[in-house]
Amino acid sequence: EVQLVQSGAEVKKPGESLKISCKSSGYSFTTYWIGWVRQMPGRGLEWMGITYPGDSETRYSPSFRGQVTISADKSISTAYLQWSSLKASDTAMYYCARPTDGGVDYWGQGTLVTVSS
Amino acid sequence: QSVLTQPPSVSGAPGQRVTISCTGSSSNIGAGYDVHWYQQLRGTAPKLLIYGNNNRPSGVPDRFSGSKSGTSASLAISGLQAEDEADYYCQSYDNSLRVWVFGGGTKLTVL
Repeated sequence: EVQLVQSGAEVKKPGESLKISCKSSGYSFTTYWIGWVRQMPGRGLEWMGITYPGDSETRYSPSFRGQVTISADKSISTAYLQWSSLKASDTAMYYCARPTDGGVDYWGQGTLVTVSS
Repeated sequence: QSVLTQPPSVSGAPGQRVTISCTGSSSNIGAGYDVHWYQQLRGTAPKLLIYGNNNRPSGVPDRFSGSKSGTSASLAISGLQAEDEADYYCQSYDNSLRVWVFGGGTKLTVL
């Protein structure tokens, strides 16, 4: 059974760094893209970027390039999303997702990130 | 401003049929890339509803159907039920951005 299990909710202050994770199981981690989707409070879904653990190729949506870093550790089948300096506007639910040619067939449960002073 | 444009809201009475449009451009839907649709119930992760323009994953009722033409796609829901009340998103690939993109989402209200 394919599962994407995300790390727990985080409460951070502006300027702090953060790395959230998405542990994959039940499939070959290195042969699928995996990515992150942001959903700000009361707003829609936004693709942030994707990475291919097999060769570490990573692509970012223009709005998120330079703002976050997406990575993966294939030795532990885990993808990451990290910020070096959080802003209040980073407050959102973040989903990891496995995109395929047939759409995103599996989603993580979501990680709520709250950034507040 | 989303790359794919959806109406913010639609509504219908139980038993009725509603459609949700998704308008793109020549770099995504018009370039021949497939459109997928997702249903997001309040407080939950999105769920794949339609893939490859008009295919239903196992377990999705045949009340849900998808279509695509030119630079647009549509999701149709027939025999509306109260549990269909949710947010719906279309998604495709954009070859100028080189990433997958979502529509802005449509809130379906069952009257």
